Formats: sequence, C-alpha cells, structure tokens
Amino acid sequence: DAGVIQSPRHEVTEMGQEVTLRCKPISGHNSLFWYRQTMMRGLELLIYFNNNVPIDDSGMPEDRFSAKMPNASFSTLKIQPSEPRDSAVYFCASSSPPDKHGEAFFGQGTRLTVV
Amino acid sequence: GEDVEQSLFLSVREGDSSVINCTYTDSSSTYLYWYKQEPGAGLQLLTYIFSNMDMKQDQRLTVLLNKKDKHLSLRIADTQTGDSAIYFCAESNNAGNMLTFGGGTRLMVKP
Repeated sequence: DAGVIQSPRHEVTEMGQEVTLRCKPISGHNSLFWYRQTMMRGLELLIYFNNNVPIDDSGMPEDRFSAKMPNASFSTLKIQPSEPRDSAVYFCASSSPPDKHGEAFFGQGTRLTVV
Repeated sequence: GEDVEQSLFLSVREGDSSVINCTYTDSSSTYLYWYKQEPGAGLQLLTYIFSNMDMKQDQRLTVLLNKKDKHLSLRIADTQTGDSAIYFCAESNNAGNMLTFGGGTRLMVKP
C-alpha cells in the first residue's frame, strides 16, 4: 500500500481564496483524521470521521473550514475564504479498527501558505 | 477532558541516552504511543504500549508506563544524530480509534 496520500504537498494562495486539501486514506482503514500543525499551537485535531461519518468536528476553528468524506477512499478539507492565520501544515491520517491497536498512519502533509 | 503534556525540548550528546517524558490524563486509555516526526515529514509510529504493561523494549527504545501516575517515558539508548526529530506521545480514547497527541518534544543530538 502506498500509505496515506495527500495533495497538494505545497499550496500558496492569496487571502480570500478558496483552498481544498485532499486525502486518500489507506485502503481498509475506517477512521480518518485531519490535523493542523503550527509552531505556536502544535498538532491540533480538526475533525475525524469513522466509516465516512463525521464523529467529532469540535476542533474545526470556524465556519470557514469544512470537511467531507464522500466515500471510504477520499476526503477533502476546504477553507473558504482563506486567511493568513490559516498558514500551517495540514495532515491527514487514517487508522484501522480498534482491535488492531488503532495506530494512525499519517500522510506527508500539505504545507499551506496564505499571503 | 483528555490532555497530554510533554516538555518542549531536549538536547543530548551523541552516544548518550535520551529520556523523553509525557503525562496524560485519561486513565481509560487502552494504548499509549510514541510517534517520531522528521523535518518535512508526517508522523510515524515508533512504538506503542498496551495499558496493562509497564515496560516495553524494542532494540534501542524502552517505553516505561506508570499508570498510577499517568506517566509515560521513552528512552533512546546510544542516541544518534539521526534520532534528531520531534517526538510525540499520544493516548487513545475508550474506543481506541482516536488519538490525543502531546505538543511534541524536539530532540537535538549534538555530535
């Protein structure tokens, strides 16, 4: 398996533009997570899905952020409109069912810069 | 709520042992984990320990769990420059399908 695949790896956009980050989880994993990492706040969980259903989105900073998982092999995180303070590395991770000790596998991340 | 805390920074000399500490609050955690993040990369699982164990050894890595004090540590023996990275501890929730991460400890290994 190629692991968790995120695209793009880098994104530079102007303030006010819409940004869409994409993630393909590992086949067979039933949980998917979106994290944001910054120097100031460390690693923050934004939202997680179980069996394609959003379970906890309490970490989503505000209404400008939305996430979808239309099927088991694809998820998007959208920011509209983007702001400079959204600049961060966004990670997607997926994990297997709990009886397999729930290890989370991370993608390489998308480095977002909003200017 | 769940909270996982780590010190921010650790500096050691090559060949010495490194000990990275972590405290957590959720006593019902089933598994506890150590992840490593190298520059420009995602997090990778280093090792994990089941909550009914108090020690796990894997080559140069030793994990100690004190469940009473909710304290987890990672010892790296004979630390190498390639061990320089950010190390995150994490705990799982009751269902075992969601992880709460600490803020990460940046390990710097000096030659």
